[in-house]
Amino acid sequence: EPEVTQTPSHQVTQMGQEVILRCVPISNHLYFYWYRQILGQKVEFLVSFYNNEISEKSEIFDDQFSVERPDGSNFTLKIRSTKLEDSAMYFCASVTELNTEAFFGQGTRLTVV
Amino acid sequence: GDSVTQMEGPVTLSEEAFLTINCTYTATGYPSLFWYVQYPGEGLQLLLKATKADDKGSNKGFEATYRKETTSFHLEKGSVQVSDSAVYFCALNRQGAQKLVFGQGTRLTINP
Repeated sequence: EPEVTQTPSHQVTQMGQEVILRCVPISNHLYFYWYRQILGQKVEFLVSFYNNEISEKSEIFDDQFSVERPDGSNFTLKIRSTKLEDSAMYFCASVTELNTEAFFGQGTRLTVV
Repeated sequence: GDSVTQMEGPVTLSEEAFLTINCTYTATGYPSLFWYVQYPGEGLQLLLKATKADDKGSNKGFEATYRKETTSFHLEKGSVQVSDSAVYFCALNRQGAQKLVFGQGTRLTINP
């Protein structure tokens, strides 16, 4: 069964460092998403990506964040200069088209120290 | 804005007990409603969904009915198993919107 794959499963980084979280969406999917969940809080939408550009982003997704689909298979989330409050579980998701089932990866736990 | 509220966890039950996890929502229009489940070490998986009022979603013995009058989508299962231990997320998606809006999740532990 096709699945969304995220790497790494856990990343520890020092405050101020750049991190790149990687995702391989399901191959025939067209819409890609990043969500995050700070420990004990809600899963929050960060950004959606379609046709090689951002289609929607939340207020959380500020200038420190960027997304890219560099090679037609990977979908990455970059945080330029991490803060302690960026510590969270980050989920990637993809869908074939709007209002269909979203398939999620297993998440990357980011710990900023 | 749109929002989803779930009952506070964690919830601990004995095997074969009846389960209810409450979920209410606030949204404009007619959203689609979902329950996602996250088993330990895995990603979010769609458990069931309902796309219009009075629809009942069901899967693996779980059920939830889309109640527009009470803006609710409570998850129920008649007899839980140890393997149902997971975190359950209620979510909505407005028609044509690109994102899911999640509740905070409810951790369920089933003891043998």
